[in-house]
Amino acid sequence: AQSVTQLGSHVSVSEGALVLLRCNYSSSVPPYLFWYVQYPNQGLQLLLKYTTGATLVKGINGFEAEFKKSETSFHLTKPSAHMSDAAEYFCAFGEGGGGADGLTFGKGTHLIIQP
Amino acid sequence: DGGITQSPKYLFRKEGQNVTLSCEQNLNHDAMYWYRQDPGQGLRLIYYSQIVNDFQKGDIAEGYSVSREKKESFPLTVTSAQKNPTAFYLCASSIYQPGQSYEQYFGPGTRLTVT
Repeated sequence: AQSVTQLGSHVSVSEGALVLLRCNYSSSVPPYLFWYVQYPNQGLQLLLKYTTGATLVKGINGFEAEFKKSETSFHLTKPSAHMSDAAEYFCAFGEGGGGADGLTFGKGTHLIIQP
Repeated sequence: DGGITQSPKYLFRKEGQNVTLSCEQNLNHDAMYWYRQDPGQGLRLIYYSQIVNDFQKGDIAEGYSVSREKKESFPLTVTSAQKNPTAFYLCASSIYQPGQSYEQYFGPGTRLTVT
């Protein structure tokens, strides 16, 4: 069965430091991959997505992610953390042909930014 | 502005009562989804609908019911059969095209508390 694993339920970085949030997936078919951000008591906002083509994907707010098929990974990065980046981040995927049936989400990573 | 609205933001009910959560979208999306979010659990799919008058069970449909009489609306009823209904409920919508997976747009959520 397909699954998404986010390593680290909490990640803490200093303001200005590199942000790295890890996501690995398990799927028998090529996936469509997404990163979403959630602020407290709000809905989810799409940061970026990978469907096909270029494996390095740029999103909003300076975030980017790289799809690595050999590692079944889709890690999210940002070169320099800002206090406003503090939030919950979710990795999700939809299988090609099956993604329309709903996305499979990881359990989320809470990003803490230290001043 | 196009988007998804969920009402109310907070909902309180006594155990044993059915309650209906509203979800409306004006994005002209065919597909709509309901997810449940619990702390540390990520999002789990309850029901989804790809066309009007048709819907499918997700991973945790027991104790819930839905209807899709209009393209714009996808209300969720939490019945008294749901053993642990207290949670944050998120509605989403997306373009629907067989064989493709599109990003989902989320509403602001409804926090349901049952005592």
